[in-house]
Amino acid sequence: GAGVSQSPSNKVTEKGKDVELRCDPISGHTALYWYRQSLGQGLEFLIYFQGNSAPDKSGLPSDRFSAERTGGSVSTLTIQRTQQEDSAVYLCASSLRSTPNRAAWYFGDGTRLSIL
Amino acid sequence: DQQVKQNSPSLSVQEGRISILNCDYTNSMFDYFLWYKKYPAEGPTFLISISSIKDKNEDGRFTVFLNKSAKHLSLHIVPSQPGDSAVYFCAAREETSGSRLTFGEGTQLTVNP
Repeated sequence: GAGVSQSPSNKVTEKGKDVELRCDPISGHTALYWYRQSLGQGLEFLIYFQGNSAPDKSGLPSDRFSAERTGGSVSTLTIQRTQQEDSAVYLCASSLRSTPNRAAWYFGDGTRLSIL
Repeated sequence: DQQVKQNSPSLSVQEGRISILNCDYTNSMFDYFLWYKKYPAEGPTFLISISSIKDKNEDGRFTVFLNKSAKHLSLHIVPSQPGDSAVYFCAAREETSGSRLTFGEGTQLTVNP
């Protein structure tokens, strides 16, 4: 597709289970970002991948969260032993790192994660 | 530490009037500011941006104003249309943080017909 694709669009799971969220960025985009939006909150930075560089993981809230990006394309965000406070909309965005236009971020529609 | 703040969670205006959305920031190292618009169940989409070396940028009905001394920016929409009803996020970038953006909490704009 032409845009950033995220799956699943909705995920409901029980507390303590592990979940995997997937992001397919726009082809050719070297930068990929994960953010989350909890109810009534702004967008919270989680992790940033840029090409083959080491990712910026400074936003991950705990060691239960991890992410990888295989082959410089698809990214998976994994949350282990989920807690109710993990409930949020998880948003992925991609951009062309070399673009001088900082506006060229494209967001997916997000995964709405609900922990029961 | 919330470095980008949108103090108004909601704003309601009449169609045809001006909408003014405000954003304050604390980090003087921010060098680029953006506004995003978000409809329910969709990802944010870019609206307009401004570099810290400017104080105004205009694009059609949308104008962003930056007051560096006050660490304040605002988005003006005129005339407002019902289709503008959405959540608006202010975002800022710090040169040293690479491409990472820091977002505000968002303001829900409702434009009444």
